[in-house]
Amino acid sequence: EAQVTQNPRYLITVTGKKLTVTCSQNMNHEYMSWYRQDPGLGLRQIYYSMNVEVTDKGDVPEGYKVSRKEKRNFPLILESPSPNQTSLYFCASSLIPGLAGGMEQFFGPGTRLTVL
Amino acid sequence: AQTVTQSQPEMSVQEAETVTLSCTYDTSESDYYLFWYKQPPSRQMILVIRQEAYKQQNATENRFSVNFQKAAKSFSLKISDSQLGDAAMYFCAYKDAGNMLTFGGGTRLMVKP
Repeated sequence: EAQVTQNPRYLITVTGKKLTVTCSQNMNHEYMSWYRQDPGLGLRQIYYSMNVEVTDKGDVPEGYKVSRKEKRNFPLILESPSPNQTSLYFCASSLIPGLAGGMEQFFGPGTRLTVL
Repeated sequence: AQTVTQSQPEMSVQEAETVTLSCTYDTSESDYYLFWYKQPPSRQMILVIRQEAYKQQNATENRFSVNFQKAAKSFSLKISDSQLGDAAMYFCAYKDAGNMLTFGGGTRLMVKP
């Protein structure tokens, strides 16, 4: 089944304790992205990657890191989480934009993160 | 930067009736895409319908249709014959050529039996 998976689905942590949220897709997509969802603000892009070893900042990159060492994986790293990073996080993937089929982004199930 | 505005934080509709969710956006681009996503309580983001800006014809997917007014930068979603399973958060989204998705703040739709 074609899908985007995220782990963990729920995480409660404390300020300053480094964490990683994994994202993996099995559709051979070049493009991957991370979003955070906050009430009234919709989803906002954190980072994205056009291909392996190519990453770039989105609208709200502060406090986050990403890496793209393999095509299928795009982990989100919070080196020193703070309470304002409490949010619902989504990973998404798609084919290269501009190519046939590259329009739609496929979303993972979401990760609910609470930073105390 | 592009902005997407959903002016209705909450809407309600009677089962089997029709409801329209509003969305406006701001852009200087001529080539872009617009989407409506549904987010049920499971939190999964589900694509409902999409519209290419270069197409004049409004997109339709079964009970879901859009009213795309390019000059007015308006992209509303009409749900006909509303069902209980339509209750969800709905997000309007804009995508530019670079693949960045910009979302509106969402509209929570309640369906009354």
